[in-house]
This record gives sequence, C-alpha cells and structure tokens, in this order.
Amino acid sequence: AQSVTQLGSHVSVSEGALVLLRCNYSSSVPPYLFWYVQYPNQGLQLLLKYTSAATLVKGINGFEAEFKKSETSFHLTKPSAHMRDAAEYFCAVSDSDFGNEKLTFGTGTRLTIIP
Amino acid sequence: GAVVSQHPSRVICKSGTSVKIECRSLDFQATTMFWYRQFPKQSLMLMATSNEGSKATYEQGVEKDKFLINHASLTLSTLTVTSAHPEDSSFYICSASRDYMYQETQYFGPGTRLLVL
Repeated sequence: AQSVTQLGSHVSVSEGALVLLRCNYSSSVPPYLFWYVQYPNQGLQLLLKYTSAATLVKGINGFEAEFKKSETSFHLTKPSAHMRDAAEYFCAVSDSDFGNEKLTFGTGTRLTIIP
Repeated sequence: GAVVSQHPSRVICKSGTSVKIECRSLDFQATTMFWYRQFPKQSLMLMATSNEGSKATYEQGVEKDKFLINHASLTLSTLTVTSAHPEDSSFYICSASRDYMYQETQYFGPGTRLLVL
C-alpha cells in the first residue's frame, strides 16, 4: 500500500519568503509523486510530478520539489512567496505515471501568505 | 488542452432525493475517469474508478448502490447520489485520463458542491 504524509496542515510565510511544504511517502514499489494545488472552490491543478527521470523537479509557478529516496521525502519549495500562492497544496503518490492509475493523496497543507 | 468540466458546480437538494453530477472531458477522450469526495478541510478520497463501457470499480467502504457511476462514452461520466442524506453533503471532484499510452497524470474537474438539506 502507498501513502503520503504531509507535515503541517497550515503553513504561513511572509510575501517574498521561502516556501517549504513537507511530504513524506511510503511505498513498496518505486513511487511516482505529485504535487497539486487547489484554489478555493476549484479542482486540483498539477504543479509538478516526479517520474524517476530527475530527482529535482521543476514545476509551474516557480515551484520545485526534490525526491530524496534516503529520506523518503518529496518536499515542495519556492524561493519567494507571492500572494497568489495562497491555496491548499496536496502531495500524492501513485505506482505509475500513467493517468489511469489511482492517486493516493495526503491530507493537504493550507498555505497562507502574509503581506 | 485537457480540460475537464463538471455540472452542476453547486447543487442543493432535499433529503431523500437523487442528484446527478456530470463530468465531461472537453477536448480529449477519457478512457478512465475517477470520482473523489472531499470533506471540508480534508483530503480527496477516491470513491471509484470508471472505464468507458464497463462497470465502475468502487473503493472499499463506498456503497455502489448509493453512488451510481455511469461512463457511457469517452467524454462523459456521471455520478448519481441516490436517496441523498445530509451526511452526503460534500465536494465531489472528478478527474479524467486519456488513453494509457499517454504518460501523464489525471486532469481534474472544478468540482461540484452538494448540500443536502
């Protein structure tokens, strides 16, 4: 069985500060890992995904994440937070990067940006 | 490209009635669609996976007779909540994926907020 754990249900950072959202995974097979963003009353938008090609993955909106097998982590970062980054962020794991495989989501982290 | 829509975006119904939610892939053919449910401030929980032309596969604990899923075409899947009760109030989100040959993730709809009175 696969699972992801997101540490911190709420994270607040000042505008312009570093954003760090934590995600640890558990998987018996090589995992495929994803970060999604959800704005209020909207569906999920893919930020980035790890598919074993490179451990540092760059996504949209200036976000990136690094896969660390030794730490079973896939933390999401952004060097400088912007007000528009305020949203809910979900880490997810799958045993495939084919779209027809089911995703298992973490509980989410709500990011608040302080002006 | 790869846009998924849901209709309605919001619905309020009385307890005991049935509600149908549509999920459409607007610019691609979706061989697989997923239905998720999200309670306030919680994560998405997969309810079922549907493949075009076949019966949906439900996750453990999801009542298949209560949550009827139909995937009759490559661009449309429907979720019908039968005899809805207040505890069924939630945010329902669908996602769709193209043919398995495409190495990409699922595309999510904007969600449908259901309130059962």
